[in-house]
Amino acid sequence: GAGVSQSPSNKVTEKGKDVELRCDPISGHTALYWYRQSLGQGLEFLIYFQGNSAPDKSGLPSDRFSAERTGGSVSTLTIQRTQQEDSAVYLCASSRALVGDEQYFGPGTRLTVT
Amino acid sequence: AQSVAQPEDQVNVAEGNPLTVKCTYSVSGNPYLFWYVQYPNRGLQFLLKYITGDNLVKGSYGFEAEFNKSQTSFHLKKPSALVSDSALYFCAVRDSRSARQLTFGSGTQLTVLP
Repeated sequence: GAGVSQSPSNKVTEKGKDVELRCDPISGHTALYWYRQSLGQGLEFLIYFQGNSAPDKSGLPSDRFSAERTGGSVSTLTIQRTQQEDSAVYLCASSRALVGDEQYFGPGTRLTVT
Repeated sequence: AQSVAQPEDQVNVAEGNPLTVKCTYSVSGNPYLFWYVQYPNRGLQFLLKYITGDNLVKGSYGFEAEFNKSQTSFHLKKPSALVSDSALYFCAVRDSRSARQLTFGSGTQLTVLP
């Protein structure tokens, strides 16, 4: 079946511009996660959605970052007024809601801020 | 709080030899432990997990991992390495009592030499 898809695969933007990254989770997965993978900093959690519950935003690094999930499916991560330190690979993952379920990751969006 | 340590940035092993990639963790409650593999310019692929039960867990591509509660470790192993196993390996943990997001180790680059 189809896995997690993300778009665009690559995004180059100028400092100060806003960007939107999209994630389409596996059908039927109610949980959706965003992570950021930076060189030298590993993978860090950004935000988590579960069904209709309020999202866990505890990993968002600043108020320039926001995310939404429409209809319990597709999610968009928005970064406003991008900075060079935002350059990273942004990974989306989804899972079922069962305890201990593994997360399935998309291919990521490589964001470069010039 | 939950944390993971992968003490080796790089592991080199000859093809056909056994391999071990080390992982130790810290959680308040019971751990849910995962191994993922990442090939260049790809997302993370799930290999195996420990939730409960048998301490020896078998996963994809001939990999296995042993959960050791007293040593708080979850080392990844394979009896006979292949050149195609060369990749970046991540250990991840989630505390059964807390949030759903995973905390990842810093990753171990495995190189299998022909």
